[in-house]
Amino acid sequence: AQSVAQPEDQVNVAEGNPLTVKCTYSVSGNPYLFWYVQYPNRGLQFLLKYITGDNLVKGSYGFEAEFNKSQTSFHLKKPSALVSDSALYFCAVREYNNNDMRFGAGTRLTVKP
Amino acid sequence: GAGVSQTPSNKVTEKGKYVELRCDPISGHTALYWYRQSLGQGPEFLIYFQGTGAADDSGLPNDRFFAVRPEGSVSTLKIQRTERGDSAVYLCASSFTGGAREKLFFGSGTQLSVL
Repeated sequence: AQSVAQPEDQVNVAEGNPLTVKCTYSVSGNPYLFWYVQYPNRGLQFLLKYITGDNLVKGSYGFEAEFNKSQTSFHLKKPSALVSDSALYFCAVREYNNNDMRFGAGTRLTVKP
Repeated sequence: GAGVSQTPSNKVTEKGKYVELRCDPISGHTALYWYRQSLGQGPEFLIYFQGTGAADDSGLPNDRFFAVRPEGSVSTLKIQRTERGDSAVYLCASSFTGGAREKLFFGSGTQLSVL
């Protein structure tokens, strides 16, 4: 069965510093991996995805994520955090023959000025 | 429409009552998903429609939950004999064909509160 773990409930960084939000996954086959962001009273917004190919994927708002098959990880990164990046971030995984996109519990990112 | 629309945005009901939650997906999207998000948790899969048919309802928690999509566009999630444990945000999402590689487009959700 597919599953996702986000080991940190909360991540705090100072504005201008790099940020990392961690995600590990478990699937029986090849994973399709996604990151979504959720702002208060809003639905989830897509940031980026890994399907195949280059392990480093770039997405919206300057975010990127690195797929690491040996460590079964897909950490979200940004070189320089903004206060406006403060939100709830969800990692998700889906297998090619599965209708269920499985989400992690989320990580609350707070960027302080 | 421009995005996935969900109505109402908030629904307060009493234990034992029946509720309907509506989702209007992005025009042209054949795939429609319902998820439930409890406080402090990630979205949890409920049901997936491909066109008019429920292709996968394995996430529905029990037979009090039912969903329809009669014309392959708007969907309604129906909950009978509501319980306090049903309180959550119900999210609807759509995608173009439902392929596993596709991103999902989410609505803003319906906050259901069962008193």
